[in-house]
Amino acid sequence: DAGVIQSPRHEVTEMGQEVTLRCKPISGHNSLFWYRQTMMRGLELLIYFNNNVPIDDSGMPEDRFSAKMPNASFSTLKIQPSEPRDSAVYFCASSLAGTGGDTQYFGPGTRLTVL
Amino acid sequence: QKEVEQNSGPLSVPEGAIASLNCTYSDRGSQSFFWYRQYSGKSPELIMFIYSNGDKEDGRFTAQLNKASQYVSLLIRDSQPSDSATYLCAVNTNAGKSTFGDGTTLTVKP
Repeated sequence: DAGVIQSPRHEVTEMGQEVTLRCKPISGHNSLFWYRQTMMRGLELLIYFNNNVPIDDSGMPEDRFSAKMPNASFSTLKIQPSEPRDSAVYFCASSLAGTGGDTQYFGPGTRLTVL
Repeated sequence: QKEVEQNSGPLSVPEGAIASLNCTYSDRGSQSFFWYRQYSGKSPELIMFIYSNGDKEDGRFTAQLNKASQYVSLLIRDSQPSDSATYLCAVNTNAGKSTFGDGTTLTVKP
């Protein structure tokens, strides 16, 4: 079975550019999460969706960040404009709510570097 | 106070020893508790979850939960060098949403 798929795996961009990260959750999962991980702040939840609807976006750092989930098999996280402090590893995770204690399955991550 | 706290470590144990990882949480309404392992440069992967007071065993791993003390731990028996990783404690306070601790880095020395 394919796990959570993220693209790109690595992204290097210049300050001010738009960055779009993509995620395909595990088929049949109904919850999707976007996290950011840095050495300083650890793993931070940015936003999560349930049945394609954003439930909690309180972790989104500012208006430069936006996320969408147009259907059950695809989500994007967009940063516009990007800044050097956005450099981090961004993980997408999915779960089937109500099963296995709501275990989350993580994708391989996108390593973002903003110069 | 952080919602989920872990000893940052690093924790170092000799091969074959028992490694003990601890986690405390602040929300008494928390329902599910998870231990994830993260190798350097990789994504977190679930080791086990627990939601009832007491112990839960899976192979060399035992999770222990004490809701009265708001404490969850992970014991790794017969530690192996391949267990060297960062261990993340996660707590579900609302249905489906996890809050993660900062992780404890474990090194198992041959």
